Amino acid sequence: DTAVSQTPKYLVTQMGNDKSIKCEQNLGHDTMYWYKQDSKKFLKIMFSYNNKELIINETVPNRFSPKSPDKAHLNLHINSLELGDSAVYFCASSQEWTGELFFGEGSRLTVL
Amino acid sequence: GEDVEQSLFLSVREGDSSVINCTYTDSSSTYLYWYKQEPGAGLQLLTYIFSNMDMKQDQRLTVLLNKKDKHLSLRIADTQTGDSAIYFCAESESSGSARQLTFGSGTQLTVLP
Repeated sequence: DTAVSQTPKYLVTQMGNDKSIKCEQNLGHDTMYWYKQDSKKFLKIMFSYNNKELIINETVPNRFSPKSPDKAHLNLHINSLELGDSAVYFCASSQEWTGELFFGEGSRLTVL
Repeated sequence: GEDVEQSLFLSVREGDSSVINCTYTDSSSTYLYWYKQEPGAGLQLLTYIFSNMDMKQDQRLTVLLNKKDKHLSLRIADTQTGDSAIYFCAESESSGSARQLTFGSGTQLTVLP
């Protein structure tokens, strides 16, 4: 059983399109995150939700909108995709604040 | 803001020890972590250390923390080819409601046969 699963794993799309990435965790964790990893492997937090409530919202264009229908799911919707949005997007979850994040396998987004 | 820095690349021979270094700027960091990322996968927590500790050992892994110099290192003894991966150092603050990890840029470890 995959603990944190993301779909799709690969996404290739044209500039200007709107796309979504879905994430689900079956660990019973209260907190979920979206991270962006660029081509140089630099990892930066985008959003964090705790029990469906947004608690971290880093400087991210408002074209990116997270949605948490319940505490096991955190989806990422991106409007009007740009070339610079090409990256690997990782979903993660955690329970108690020990700093142990459980990551999904990543969703590689390529914008042409 | 917080800053975490690592060298980008390290190559070692199989069987040798690897030492991956990290420096951080946030003096209020209370937890420091090492994560491992294998190709095509997400990050996995390897180990972590509280800021009131100097050293932590876990099988082949030894973490050293010099809080005065804000320097963290990860030593992997008897490095194997399966240890080839990217290793990320990360730190977190303990105060405030918006707790988050700040990751370093990652060190690509290549183990040569």
